[in-house]
Amino acid sequence: TQLLEQSPQFLSIQEGENLTVYCNSSSVFSSLQWYRQEPGEGPVLLVTVVTGGEVKKLKRLTFQFGDARKDSSLHITAAQPGDTGLYLCAGEVVYNNLFFGTGTRLTVIP
Amino acid sequence: DTAVSQTPKYLVTQMGNDKSIKCEQNLGHDTMYWYKQDSKKFLKIMFSYNNKELIINETVPNRFSPKSPDKAHLNLHINSLELGDSAVYFCASSPSGTMSPGFGPGTRLTVL
Repeated sequence: TQLLEQSPQFLSIQEGENLTVYCNSSSVFSSLQWYRQEPGEGPVLLVTVVTGGEVKKLKRLTFQFGDARKDSSLHITAAQPGDTGLYLCAGEVVYNNLFFGTGTRLTVIP
Repeated sequence: DTAVSQTPKYLVTQMGNDKSIKCEQNLGHDTMYWYKQDSKKFLKIMFSYNNKELIINETVPNRFSPKSPDKAHLNLHINSLELGDSAVYFCASSPSGTMSPGFGPGTRLTVL
């Protein structure tokens, strides 16, 4: 059973454009993480959000946790080719058990 | 210095063989994990160990046996490999009380 659905699944945009990736679930999470994975490497943690409604910024990336802690979004401003990669959200339901989303593959074209 | 390391990076083997993947972390973390990533890039937890004790075993066939000789190591042994075991296997670790694991570089297993 997929607990976390990400949309869109694929996204190809021009350098300088803005984009938003969504991560949705019917489950409540005690925390939610966003990772970026590049080919041939492991996922790299970008951010952890814990509180409903929380917003965190990491340079041009803005992460928001839904008020009910069931969903999250990742907004990238002025995308750069270096942002290209697979973006994964992951939610913690039970302690030490992290469920990953379906992934969003982003390509930023120079 | 690599925080979470795995060996080998690539593993190609025949169906029915037994193989092991080794994982080590030098971060002093108490909790270690094994995840499997399939061909569609879906990442799913297999096992979680805290201070060498198994705390999560997610419906993984008993052909998969994790072994934690100490807090810094969590190895994965797989018996009687099947075609469906082909995937990328990631080791990860995190400090106790947190749920933001750091991942190793992965081991791509191909079963022929």
